[in-house]
Amino acid sequence: QLQLHESGSGLVKPSQTLSLTCAVSGGSINNGDYSWSWIRQSAGKGLEWIAYIHYGGSTYDNPSLNNRVTISLDRSKNQISLQLRSVSAADTAFYYCASVSRMNAFDIWGQGTMVTVSS
Amino acid sequence: SYVLTQPPSVSVAPGQTARVTCGGNNVAIKRVHWYQQKPGQAPALVVHDNSDRPSGIPERFSGSNSGTTATLTISRVEAGDEADYYCQVWDRFSEHMYVFGTGTTVTVL
Repeated sequence: QLQLHESGSGLVKPSQTLSLTCAVSGGSINNGDYSWSWIRQSAGKGLEWIAYIHYGGSTYDNPSLNNRVTISLDRSKNQISLQLRSVSAADTAFYYCASVSRMNAFDIWGQGTMVTVSS
Repeated sequence: SYVLTQPPSVSVAPGQTARVTCGGNNVAIKRVHWYQQKPGQAPALVVHDNSDRPSGIPERFSGSNSGTTATLTISRVEAGDEADYYCQVWDRFSEHMYVFGTGTTVTVL
């Protein structure tokens, strides 16, 4: 059974770069059955899609984030990475990684990791 | 960008039926997926492709999609169904691509 586990910088200063990784177990990120996404949720708010990466490497990100996002695959470590540049307090949220099915549903989620942007 | 609108809250007595709606322009031509999020937990997929259930999801959870409204139906509601529910679509023509609904809190009375 596929399992995802997020980790990374829990506290980031304003204007710096947020870096997160999502470790995949129980399957390979090179498996063509899955692509991958990052999603976030601010306290008491709804879900916001951040970025998507196809298992082949093509990427898409939410234009609301103003080109601050990089999503990538580390095939040697079986991980998906997220970088969000020039962060502000508005980027404080719970960040989740998820596998994306062929029908574009987020079918497996990690437990999430909290990121706080504060000086 | 594409917008999915859900009622903020739905209340239901145990054993009754809860219906959570998800409204969007021509949503019937899209595949709608539904997620359940219990307090302090990550979301979990409960219905995909309008009406299919992942393995392990009870038959009490069902979905439909017609016209401008998709609906998640929870039959014979139990206390453990109390959670936030989100609909979601993939819109290939939207620059936002993956769109979530505004979310609905289902309260079991």
